[in-house]
Formats: sequence, structure tokens, C-alpha cells
Amino acid sequence: SQTIHQWPATLVQPVGSPLSLECTVEGTSNPNLYWYRQAAGRGLQLLFYSVGIGQISSEVPQNLSASRPQDRQFILSSKKLLLSDSGFYLCAWAPWGQGNTDTQYFGPGTRLTVL
Amino acid sequence: QKEVEQNSGPLSVPEGAIASLNCTYSDRGSQSFFWYRQYSGKSPELIMSIYSNGDKEDGRFTAQLNKASQYVSLLIRDSQPSDSATYLCAVNTGFQKLVFGTGTRLLVSP
Repeated sequence: SQTIHQWPATLVQPVGSPLSLECTVEGTSNPNLYWYRQAAGRGLQLLFYSVGIGQISSEVPQNLSASRPQDRQFILSSKKLLLSDSGFYLCAWAPWGQGNTDTQYFGPGTRLTVL
Repeated sequence: QKEVEQNSGPLSVPEGAIASLNCTYSDRGSQSFFWYRQYSGKSPELIMSIYSNGDKEDGRFTAQLNKASQYVSLLIRDSQPSDSATYLCAVNTGFQKLVFGTGTRLLVSP
């Protein structure tokens, strides 16, 4: 069966500090991978998605970046955090080749507080 | 801008009642539709997916899709306090991405 991991689970960082969040998927190959952010009391905002190693599509222009160095690893980074970067960061995966039936499965999330 | 709209709630129902959650979407070309449940402080978990017009049942849950009217609904029969959560509607509009609604908060009172 497939498993998705995220770490850390919680993070408190000062404004202007760097960020690195990691997501890994087990039990599948060549998944589509996604990073979402959920601000307090708000919906899910798609930040990045990837259909393969080194292939990253950005949905929202901001101070965040993403990388996919390995097939089942997805990393979200920032060089300098802003207060507005606080939120619940969710990684999701979808099986490759599903076409229009892309069911996404979410990891446990990372709760980031920027002070 | 492709949109998915949900009433934020809270929708309050007594234990044992039927909870009805609704969702409308703007992209007429949407092909697949999903309901996720999110408990407070947790990540969303998939409840159901539906791709064709009509009803799809899974245990106490029934998803209903009407593409002509561009709405999706989720019925929860025999609602339990453990069903209290936020329910997210998501729509696949192509390009391997989902658009999510902001969710409806459901409260089931004992």
C-alpha cells in the first residue's frame, strides 16, 4: 500500500529565516506530487505540482520554491519567510496516468508558524 | 477563474439525521468530483469520488452529481457526532489538478 510522509509536523520560524519542508511517498512509482497551503479558516491553495523528476509547475508567484530531486521526494523551500507564509502545508500525491480521474491523497501536513 | 462554491456553515444536524452538503462548480468541462473530510487540525481524507451523473453510494455516504446543473452533493445518513468535521468538495478541471471549495463545517449533536 502507498504511504505519504511529511516532516516536520510542526515548525516555528522567525521572519526572514529559510524554510525546507519535505514530502516522500512510498509504495508507488512516478506519482504526481502537489504542495498546498491552507491558511487559518481558508481553503486549500495549490502552490506547486510536479509530474516527474525536475518538473515543477508553479501556481502562485511568491517567495516559495519547490524541487523534486527524486521520483518520490518533493521539497518546498523558501530563502526568507514572511509572516504571511504561516499556515498548514499539505503534500499530496496522485497515481500516474489517471488522466481526468486524478484522485489525490494527502499527507499529514506541516503546521508552520512564522513569528 | 475556475471556482468551486460551498456554504461555509456550520450545518447543524441532530444525531441520526441526514446531513446534506452541497457544492457548485463553474467549469462545465469538469470530469471528476471528490469529497474530502477534514477534522480540525488534520489533513483532508478522501471520502468519495464520482464521475457520472446520478448517485453513488458507499455505506452511509451518497454522492450525487448533476452535470447539467453543475452541482455535486454529499448525503450522510444516520449522522454521528464523529462525522463532525469540515467537508471539502474538489473538482478536477483537467491538467491533473483539483480545485477545492472552502468547505462546509458540519456539526452533529448527540
